[in-house]
Amino acid sequence: QSVLTQPPSASGTPGQRVTISCSGSSSNIGSNTVNWYQQLPGTAPKLLIYSNNQRPSGVPDRFSGSKSGTSASLAISGLQSEDEADYYCAAWDDSLNGHVVFGGGTKLTVL
Amino acid sequence: QVQLQESGPGLVKPSETLSLTCTVSGYSISSGYYWGWIRQPPGKGLEWIGSIYHSGSTYYNPSLKSRVTISVDTSKNQFSLKLSSVTAADTAVYYCARAFVGIGYYYYYMDVWGKGTTVTVSS
Repeated sequence: QSVLTQPPSASGTPGQRVTISCSGSSSNIGSNTVNWYQQLPGTAPKLLIYSNNQRPSGVPDRFSGSKSGTSASLAISGLQSEDEADYYCAAWDDSLNGHVVFGGGTKLTVL
Repeated sequence: QVQLQESGPGLVKPSETLSLTCTVSGYSISSGYYWGWIRQPPGKGLEWIGSIYHSGSTYYNPSLKSRVTISVDTSKNQFSLKLSSVTAADTAVYYCARAFVGIGYYYYYMDVWGKGTTVTVSS
């Protein structure tokens, strides 16, 4: 059972806009910034969005993040086949002396 | 270009200690950032294990804290993970990563990852 809650799966057709939600609590998302990681099949995770809505250099602007209260979301517009991957949200949690918590991950399928 | 590379035994016996090292190139550990470990059991999601600052300050996952030690060797530009009393549940791909931390821990994200190393716990 992950501390942050994500839907296990999501899907869309090429060109569509897809959103993935991430729900937490006051000790994590409610208090700290949210990050998103993309894990393509058979590869290491890659930082996709940091500090709620910032994109690292090289990440297309089709990817965007937002946060409100104790929830966050990742939006992917103009869906492409290469976006098929697992997506994880994460944040620092202030409880128990502090630690990082992840969502369970969302598998995105491009139909 | 910052690169991280995990190394260590791919097979560990139950009840023994898992030991992994992450070698950092292209950046000096002493210059800043936190350095951490994350694992992923087969077919499952990511689990944060812990992280360390070059000064030696550490943070651990509360669920693993009693078995985990993370240390740093700035002279070799490496940091290491030790996980004791392993069981089959510790079988996973283990990743090392660089973590940016700011304003307390308001900002904490892992911006550079190693490729990962598979560790199997079996007799």
